[in-house]
Amino acid sequence: AQKITQTQPGMFVQEKEAVTLDCTYDTSDQSYGLFWYKQPSSGEMIFLIYQGSYDEQNATEGRYSLNFQKARKSANLVISASQLGDSAMYFCAMRGIRTGGTSYGKLTFGQGTILTVHP
Amino acid sequence: GAGVSQTPSNKVTEKGKYVELRCDPISGHTALYWYRQSLGQGPEFLIYFQGTGAADDSGLPNDRFFAVRPEGSVSTLKIQRTERGDSAVYLCASSSDRGSGANVLTFGAGSRLTVL
Repeated sequence: AQKITQTQPGMFVQEKEAVTLDCTYDTSDQSYGLFWYKQPSSGEMIFLIYQGSYDEQNATEGRYSLNFQKARKSANLVISASQLGDSAMYFCAMRGIRTGGTSYGKLTFGQGTILTVHP
Repeated sequence: GAGVSQTPSNKVTEKGKYVELRCDPISGHTALYWYRQSLGQGPEFLIYFQGTGAADDSGLPNDRFFAVRPEGSVSTLKIQRTERGDSAVYLCASSSDRGSGANVLTFGAGSRLTVL
């Protein structure tokens, strides 16, 4: 079983500043993948960043980085230099990885955090 | 196709009616997922297909919900005797599920179902 917890219903940040969105997880899988998605008000789900549980380095994708702390079971998303277009709902999600490295099964989502970027 | 296509984008129906929602995944993606999302909530898993077979249908809330993927490509989510509580956005996603733990689910734009 997998569980994702996002404890921040809403976050506010000033334009050009950095913001951290929290995510903790629980799983019985030995290996797993962690994902962050962005959902603007238009409704589409946009993939942002991925972290494998076996990856030694934290993932980065442009202004997005994932602060992965395996012992604490946390996978926080850091957005640097916030832009007005970053205002959206953000979801943390996870799924299992088989021996051999292929992912399997459903993606389990958290409840989301609404991020509002102020000018 | 270039992305995941879902039809209809909007469906309004009356309580008790039958509804079908269609999903056309990215060409070559073997895995297909259905999720349901209520306003302000995270997507809730319904069912997952690997090829033609349902690999995990543990999220289907009751026997009014059924999904098929007869040729391993297009999938249809079927809801019988709709109830007002079925009102939500139904999201479909597909992924290749091969070779990497980082197989990303690509989502469609969703089908918004409103049951009056």
